[in-house]
Amino acid sequence: NAGVTQTPKFQVLKTGQSMTLQCAQDMNHNSMYWYRQDPGMGLRLIYYSASEGTTDKGEVPNGYNVSRLNKREFSLRLESAAPSQTSVYFCATRPGQGAWREQFFGPGTRLTVL
Amino acid sequence: AQRVTQPEKLLSVFKGAPVELKCNYSYSGSPELFWYVQYSRQRLQLLLRHISRESIKGFTADLNKGETSFHLKKPFAQEEDSAMYYCALKHQGGGNKLTFGTGTQLKVEL
Repeated sequence: NAGVTQTPKFQVLKTGQSMTLQCAQDMNHNSMYWYRQDPGMGLRLIYYSASEGTTDKGEVPNGYNVSRLNKREFSLRLESAAPSQTSVYFCATRPGQGAWREQFFGPGTRLTVL
Repeated sequence: AQRVTQPEKLLSVFKGAPVELKCNYSYSGSPELFWYVQYSRQRLQLLLRHISRESIKGFTADLNKGETSFHLKKPFAQEEDSAMYYCALKHQGGGNKLTFGTGTQLKVEL
């Protein structure tokens, strides 16, 4: 099992360009999350999907959109990239039921916006 | 609003010395707390959760509700403990969201 996979691993964009970060999981988890990781700020939640067909804003949703394509896939789209969106992006998943269930993280996508 | 504070960006200790990574939280209910670790070039992974009261890789963390703390401790640091450590608090409400602290980089020197 691959667990949580993210593509691409690295990306460089120019300001104003658009792109979609892909996340897929083979663990049959219900919940999926997108975080960004910035030095000195830790991980901040961008969007999440508690279950297939639902999405909700997290702490820092501005400038992003998401699609929960099916149970396996959760994509993050930057419509018009800005330098402030330079970051490392992590996708995570979690089983839907049960307290104290951990989140499982993907390897990350390092994005640079020039 | 709930918050997780990790006051140290960097903690440097010598091999064999005790380690304490600090985590304080603010939360109105009964907290669910976790420690996650990210080794160099690896993905973020769960280290331990407070409900388990377990020791993982020699690390323990005790919830102190009076001091609203969940410090991570290890009596004798090893070189392989060098990593980024994040304290996380589960959100109230739906979605099983986590609030992360800003992280502490632990560097164990020989």
